[in-house]
Amino acid sequence: EPEVTQTPSHQVTQMGQEVILRCVPISNHLYFYWYRQILGQKVEFLVSFYNNEISEKSEIFDDQFSVERPDGSNFTLKIRSTKLEDSAMYFCAGPFSRRGHTDTQYFGPGTRLTVL
Amino acid sequence: RKEVEQDPGPFNVPEGATVAFNCTYSNSASQSFFWYRQDCRKEPKLLMSVYSSGNEDGRFTAQLNRASQYISLLIRDSKLSDSATYLCVVPSRSNDYKLSFGAGTTVTVRA
Repeated sequence: EPEVTQTPSHQVTQMGQEVILRCVPISNHLYFYWYRQILGQKVEFLVSFYNNEISEKSEIFDDQFSVERPDGSNFTLKIRSTKLEDSAMYFCAGPFSRRGHTDTQYFGPGTRLTVL
Repeated sequence: RKEVEQDPGPFNVPEGATVAFNCTYSNSASQSFFWYRQDCRKEPKLLMSVYSSGNEDGRFTAQLNRASQYISLLIRDSKLSDSATYLCVVPSRSNDYKLSFGAGTTVTVRA
């Protein structure tokens, strides 16, 4: 059984549309992260979320991106106006495993975003 | 210097062979290191954590050389199922444990 679920598994959208990607961890942790991976490239950090606030964000995470924890359990990543270059796999991650150290991150299965 | 650099490979080895590859990192203050495995279009999955000089888990051995700032991963008795991309991962220069990834080393084990 996965430790975290992400929905949808695949999202196809038109350029300029808004998308919301969701992540649900099974355990409640303060730290939470979003990463993305463009096809054929390395995994890149987007944003870290600690205690319901953004802790750190990368250059990629511009004003078009936002993160929320709307109901205390789900985490969302919103892209306000998608661009072609936003096409990628988006992974949520966190120290979800009770056996893990804080710095050991486990990744959700990802959402594949395709922007047309 | 990039935060994390890996030999991209690909390493194409026969079943039963031993394969090893390295990763160099720039943050000399790092205390923890990780090897993740990633299959095509899947999420990275934690393979090993390294907190001291090294770690061994079955056929997999990770060694850390702090003086030279590199980590190696060795796979003994390779199986077909070991075919994957192996990601070297190091917590970045910050206090919130965000991870910096290498580009990955591709290993293909052939029958």
